[in-house]
Amino acid sequence: QKEVEQNSGPLSVPEGAIASLNCTYSDRGSQSFFWYRQYSGKSPELIMSIYSNGDKEDGRFTAQLNKASQYVSLLIRDSQPSDSATYLCAVKRSYNKLIFGAGTRLAVHP
Amino acid sequence: EPEVTQTPSHQVTQMGQEVILRCVPISNHLYFYWYRQILGQKVEFLVSFYNNEISEKSEIFDDQFSVERPDGSNFTLKIRSTKLEDSAMYFCASSESMDGANVLTFGAGSRLTVL
Repeated sequence: QKEVEQNSGPLSVPEGAIASLNCTYSDRGSQSFFWYRQYSGKSPELIMSIYSNGDKEDGRFTAQLNKASQYVSLLIRDSQPSDSATYLCAVKRSYNKLIFGAGTRLAVHP
Repeated sequence: EPEVTQTPSHQVTQMGQEVILRCVPISNHLYFYWYRQILGQKVEFLVSFYNNEISEKSEIFDDQFSVERPDGSNFTLKIRSTKLEDSAMYFCASSESMDGANVLTFGAGSRLTVL
């Protein structure tokens, strides 16, 4: 079982729609969760962090965490073509070690 | 906004050669990391470093790899004898602390191509 699992995509949504990205993790003791955005050939860029069950909103982005189901999601409202990228789910372990999922490729078409 | 700086942006080397990748972490950060990403694959943890010693390393970080903080600003990753499979993007990252809420800031990466 992979430690952090994501659908590879591509997830294709029209401009202005809501994009929903999902992630599951295997270690039930995990406490800190992150969503990074990665453009092709670039480094991961932090979008959201979440530590408690429930929703956390930041602008057009909402992260959702359900520790009982070991599930993290990211919603992007009013998707823009500039949101087209690979979205990486990451789970923090000891000494700030991040375990990344393989990423979901999002394509927002005009 | 403070950033993590990495050099070189791209290095091409012959198999068996030594490579040193350099990083300048954010100035008030105390924890440093190297990750790598083979083309088309996920980002993988290599090593974390604090107080001039390795805190944790992955199985990938074998005897061919070493890290060093040679002065007050640089943090380096050395690969002693490169192999074809070392071709990847190497990302340096730093953070202020280790607590769960603290986030890592990544540099732009150094692309290593081993021929």
